[in-house]
Amino acid sequence: GNSVTQMEGPVTLSEEAFLTINCTYTATGYPSLFWYVQYPGEGLQLLLKATKADDKGSNKGFEATYRKETTSFHLEKGSVQVSDSAVYFCALKSGGSYIPTFGRGTSLIVHP
Amino acid sequence: GAGVSQSPSNKVTEKGKDVELRCDPISGHTALYWYRQSLGQGLEFLIYFQGNSAPDKSGLPSDRFSAERTGGSVSTLTIQRTQQEDSAVYLCASSSASGTSGRDTQYFGPGTRLTVL
Repeated sequence: GNSVTQMEGPVTLSEEAFLTINCTYTATGYPSLFWYVQYPGEGLQLLLKATKADDKGSNKGFEATYRKETTSFHLEKGSVQVSDSAVYFCALKSGGSYIPTFGRGTSLIVHP
Repeated sequence: GAGVSQSPSNKVTEKGKDVELRCDPISGHTALYWYRQSLGQGLEFLIYFQGNSAPDKSGLPSDRFSAERTGGSVSTLTIQRTQQEDSAVYLCASSSASGTSGRDTQYFGPGTRLTVL
């Protein structure tokens, strides 16, 4: 079956530091890959997505590249801000399946 | 336009009582999902509705949990005889298409935080 593995948090960084949150997956076929962000007290919001190999999703300074050869979709940002403090979820969805698979989430804490 | 809304935002109840959680999806979205998010855990799929089709209830953890969707829009998740382990955030999401495309994006509501004392 499908699965998503994220690095465990919390990840604690100083403002303007470089961020990487690792995500690897196991899936049948050619899934679409997603990163969602959950700010404190809120639901999940789609941050970015990629639907085929080598696609790069980007939004709000965050990027992730769909790497089929390494089955990875790592999230990166060059310079984090305090406002980026949140929980980040990696997810995948295979075509033909209506139930996405989510990782356990990685908490990011950014200090001023 | 309006996003997915859920009510109540917080619910505190006593063990053994029944609770109802409501979800209003984005207008026109035919697919609706319920998830449970326990402290420090990922998202646990509970149930999926698509149009007028029979729902996929494969994620419901016990027969105390049930859900319905009236008129293809609003959905209610009911938990009977609540237990302390039911304490969690219950999230609702909707999607514009059938949900079977890998490209379909889910839009989440803010969640209902349920606390069972």
